[in-house]
Amino acid sequence: GAVVSQHPSWVICKSGTSVKIECRSLDFQATTMFWYRQFPKQSLMLMATSNEGSKATYEQGVEKDKFLINHASLTLSTLTVTSAHPEDSSFYICSARDPVDEQYFGPGTRLTVT
Amino acid sequence: DAKTTQPNSMESNEEEPVHLPCNHSTISGTDYIHWYRQLPSQGPEYVIHGLTSNVNNRMASLAIAEDRKSSTLILHRATLRDAAVYYCILRDNNAGNMLTFGGGTRLMVKP
Repeated sequence: GAVVSQHPSWVICKSGTSVKIECRSLDFQATTMFWYRQFPKQSLMLMATSNEGSKATYEQGVEKDKFLINHASLTLSTLTVTSAHPEDSSFYICSARDPVDEQYFGPGTRLTVT
Repeated sequence: DAKTTQPNSMESNEEEPVHLPCNHSTISGTDYIHWYRQLPSQGPEYVIHGLTSNVNNRMASLAIAEDRKSSTLILHRATLRDAAVYYCILRDNNAGNMLTFGGGTRLMVKP
């Protein structure tokens, strides 16, 4: 199946700093990518839909100024957590939709804010 | 969004079949039934999907009720590596094809 990568796989940052997470589709072009967040023992929650070349669509309750999404190419979307706080500590997962509409998930990025 | 209902957890013995149920009584005619699984500390992995007919692949089988209000994911011989959270998701091809995750079923496999 298709491969989606995320970088970094884990990151620790200090409160108040910003962190960028990359999501890449390695062997297909993805016009649409999705960003999810997952807290311990909970399910995945969709944060936003990222469309190549246009603004992301955020789910209700997700601050677009705090979670900046850029989808500048057909194989790369980035999520920047700005002014991170301990409550932003979570497992962030991206997925990418391939040309035949199947969705493939990345391995996730564990963010810890101290 | 059409919702699904799954048991919170299930247990199975290694090398025995496992039947994971999912209720989706409000399913619409354009909803596909998708199953994903998530191993600890990993992203979800596609397992199988179907619309009306039963489906088989190398990972599992999907049995869909005639009225489509329920489905069952079947793992024919559970292994320890199948221990994961299994998510049953309805995907509407007419609504952006987003995947909305419910609580899923945590499958525990005993040796």
